[in-house]
Amino acid sequence: AQKVTQAQTEISVVEKEDVTLDCVYETRDTTYYLFWYKQPPSGELVFLIRRNSFDEQNEISGRYSWNFQKSTSSFNFTITASQVVDSAVYFCALSRDYKLSFGAGTTVTVRA
Amino acid sequence: NAGVTQTPKFQVLKTGQSMTLQCAQDMNHEYMSWYRQDPGMGLRLIHYSVGAGITDQGEVPNGYNVSRSTTEDFPLRLLSAAPSQTSVYFCASSYRLNEKLFFGSGTQLSVL
Repeated sequence: AQKVTQAQTEISVVEKEDVTLDCVYETRDTTYYLFWYKQPPSGELVFLIRRNSFDEQNEISGRYSWNFQKSTSSFNFTITASQVVDSAVYFCALSRDYKLSFGAGTTVTVRA
Repeated sequence: NAGVTQTPKFQVLKTGQSMTLQCAQDMNHEYMSWYRQDPGMGLRLIHYSVGAGITDQGEVPNGYNVSRSTTEDFPLRLLSAAPSQTSVYFCASSYRLNEKLFFGSGTQLSVL
């Protein structure tokens, strides 16, 4: 069985603060894929990043960065210098074979 | 550029009624799937398909049927609606397995 845990239910910050979202996963497989998706208040789901289990290179994309550590089964996501538009629910997900498992999500509120 | 089109956006049913949620994609994606989103539980996979004529169960399949007669369409049928099926439903597709998902805009379903 596979499982994704996002321990943080809600995070509230003031604009320009950094926000780190934690994601811990469980799987017995050696080949798998990890994702982050964003769901803004409008309700649509937007893809942010995909990583495979063999690629532990961390990535920075603008104000977003990701830290994949296979040794601790974690795939954390950081927003640097947060903005009000970053307010959303963020989901971490694990894909193996034909099934995708999502975490419960972390609601990020950025206050002006 | 339609992407994933999901209808209806809102639906209210009475217990025992049946209905079909429609999902269509115009990107020639092989993989299509249905999720339900409930508060505090993230998205849970209902059914998925890896191509026309091929479907399989996800995490929470009970009470739902699917079919995939064409590459483009993947309808979700509720045979006898129950209040426990009150949720937000998302259809999603990807070009291949384990690639990023493109989501429809969601259907908010209430079963009274």
